[in-house]
Amino acid sequence: QLQLQGSGPGLVKPSETLSLTCSVSGGSINSNVHYWAWIRQSPGKGLEWIGSVYHTGSTYYKASLKSRVTMSVDTSRNQFFLRLTSVRVDDTAIYYCTRLSPRVSLDNWGQGIQVTVSS
Amino acid sequence: DIQMTQSPSTLSASLGDRVTITCRASQSISTWLAWYQQRPGKAPKLLIYKASSLESGVPSRFSGSGSGTEFTLTITSLQPDDFATYYCQQYSAYSGTFGPGTKVEIK
Repeated sequence: QLQLQGSGPGLVKPSETLSLTCSVSGGSINSNVHYWAWIRQSPGKGLEWIGSVYHTGSTYYKASLKSRVTMSVDTSRNQFFLRLTSVRVDDTAIYYCTRLSPRVSLDNWGQGIQVTVSS
Repeated sequence: DIQMTQSPSTLSASLGDRVTITCRASQSISTWLAWYQQRPGKAPKLLIYKASSLESGVPSRFSGSGSGTEFTLTITSLQPDDFATYYCQQYSAYSGTFGPGTKVEIK
């Protein structure tokens, strides 16, 4: 059974860089079918799609976050990553890593990582 | 960007009730619409995809319908586990946007 486990710091200072990791078990990130996505959820903005990455490294980012977001994969470790630069207080949210299946959408979710941006 | 709206924002219902949640897209999305259930402190869980296809393991009391810009999620005979927040989401091969959510609470 596929499992996604997100990890990363719970507290980041404004203007710094947030780095999160999602470890995939029970399946291969090398899938020719699936993308891997990051979603965040905050009280003010609800559920927000940040972007997605394919095992080849191909990416798609939400337009309003594109200048600050980088996603990547490490197929040898079965992991994918989110990097968000110049974080602000309104980047405070629960960050979820997910699997995006074609024609199905987000069918597997990690447990969520609470990230707080505060000095 | 395609915008999603949901109504109502909150719904009060009793055990055994039939409830319907509506989701609208700002432009036609064919049937590229998913529904998720989220319980407090948990990640969202996929219930319905492609507007009306039931995800494996999801009880048959959940059903979805619609196409174009208007969609509905129906829960027949509400059970205790069903009191949660429900989100619709339009999606493509690599992106999507969510509705603001509908909270189903106990009357």
